[in-house]
Amino acid sequence: DAKTTQPTSMDCAEGRAANLPCNHSTISGNEYVYWYRQIHSQGPQYIIHGLKNNETNEMASLIITEDRKSSTLILPHATLRDTAVYYCIVRVDPNNAGNMLTFGGGTRLMVKP
Amino acid sequence: GAVVSQHPSWVICKSGTSVKIECRSLDFQATTMFWYRQFPKQSLMLMATSNEGSKATYEQGVEKDKFLINHASLTLSTLTVTSAHPEDSSFYICSARDTNRGYNEQFFGPGTRLTVL
Repeated sequence: DAKTTQPTSMDCAEGRAANLPCNHSTISGNEYVYWYRQIHSQGPQYIIHGLKNNETNEMASLIITEDRKSSTLILPHATLRDTAVYYCIVRVDPNNAGNMLTFGGGTRLMVKP
Repeated sequence: GAVVSQHPSWVICKSGTSVKIECRSLDFQATTMFWYRQFPKQSLMLMATSNEGSKATYEQGVEKDKFLINHASLTLSTLTVTSAHPEDSSFYICSARDTNRGYNEQFFGPGTRLTVL
């Protein structure tokens, strides 16, 4: 699976949009971009994933650049409860039963009042 | 989403004892479960992949005789830390794939914090 690079930490004001970047310049054509987050002392939580098109769900939006070498996770209106470590993960073929998740360092997002 | 539970949520034990951690998929079947370990201020590290009815696959550097994994049913996998030592103190997290939803859906348990004195 391709390696990802994320900033170590970010701050965001409550109510504002949080934009979390991820660089995955070595991504290959069959690799998906996944985002998970982990609130302190809890298990990771799935947020969103995509291949090449932008995606949106009730939690967030995922913007993938045209060359797919980077992506941005957008939390449109961050709340204090969004404070967590956000992991960007690139993985091949999600329908492969043997394909586990490999976590990098993630970005520690601190939402401040 | 599907729910994965872990038991216990935390445990403190003496050095040399064994500790069993359970991972259950509450409302779905999971042929594959994963066990991760997370040390303070570090990311999750995959320890092993647990497949129902067969032997687990361990990641490099993880001792299979120390971390015993049993996946006897489609809703339960157990991790037993044998002869635990203080360096085994960590946050242990399991995840499970919902067989019926497709393999891109992976749900995590809340984690078990193990402290070995």
